[in-house]
Amino acid sequence: DTGVSQDPRHKITKRGQNVTFRCDPISEHNRLYWYRQTLGQGPEFLTYFQNEAQLEKSRLLSDRFSAERPKGSFSTLEIQRTEQGDSAMYLCASSRTQTGLNEQFFGPGTRLTVL
Amino acid sequence: AQSVTQPDIHITVSEGASLELRCNYSYGATPYLFWYVQSPGQGLQLLLKYFSGDTLVQGIKGFEAEFKRSQSSFNLRKPSVHWSDAAEYFCAGNYGGATNKLIFGTGTLLAVQP
Repeated sequence: DTGVSQDPRHKITKRGQNVTFRCDPISEHNRLYWYRQTLGQGPEFLTYFQNEAQLEKSRLLSDRFSAERPKGSFSTLEIQRTEQGDSAMYLCASSRTQTGLNEQFFGPGTRLTVL
Repeated sequence: AQSVTQPDIHITVSEGASLELRCNYSYGATPYLFWYVQSPGQGLQLLLKYFSGDTLVQGIKGFEAEFKRSQSSFNLRKPSVHWSDAAEYFCAGNYGGATNKLIFGTGTLLAVQP
């Protein structure tokens, strides 16, 4: 169990640029979540995958955001035409499918700064 | 609406003193409840969780939490705080459904004085 990894850990970009983040979940976990955490707030749910299927998206996820999980392994989160309001920590979590025992394991996060 | 509230934004305690961090969940179906800790530059680490049964739950690093249905609370406690406990603490609820997403409180930042 090597834990959830995320890449990059930090990203600084200019407004209007596109960025892509990667998450590698724990290998046997088929559920994968993306959360966003802004300063002074708790993480907020963005989207959820079970295997390769994206089953829920939050209203926080505007049309500029897209997430994929090809082959049900790693996942990517892309933000197009970044805005300063996108500056946040983006957290990925994974878990097994066990009703009621859905302990989520979190990665270290990707901190995005949009200038 | 499903929500989790942490009333204290910032708490300072002296090393060796006891600690209690408050968490309330919105009334209705009892969610599965969790406490996570986040140190600077680190991800969230699970301290403990409550699903059912015994209302006093033991976790890692000497933490415990007590579930009180009558107060819709799940407060985190530690009898003697160490300087290394300084971090941000998040309470979270899982209200079930197909997604099992977590709903987090806004966090409590703990500072420990020598």
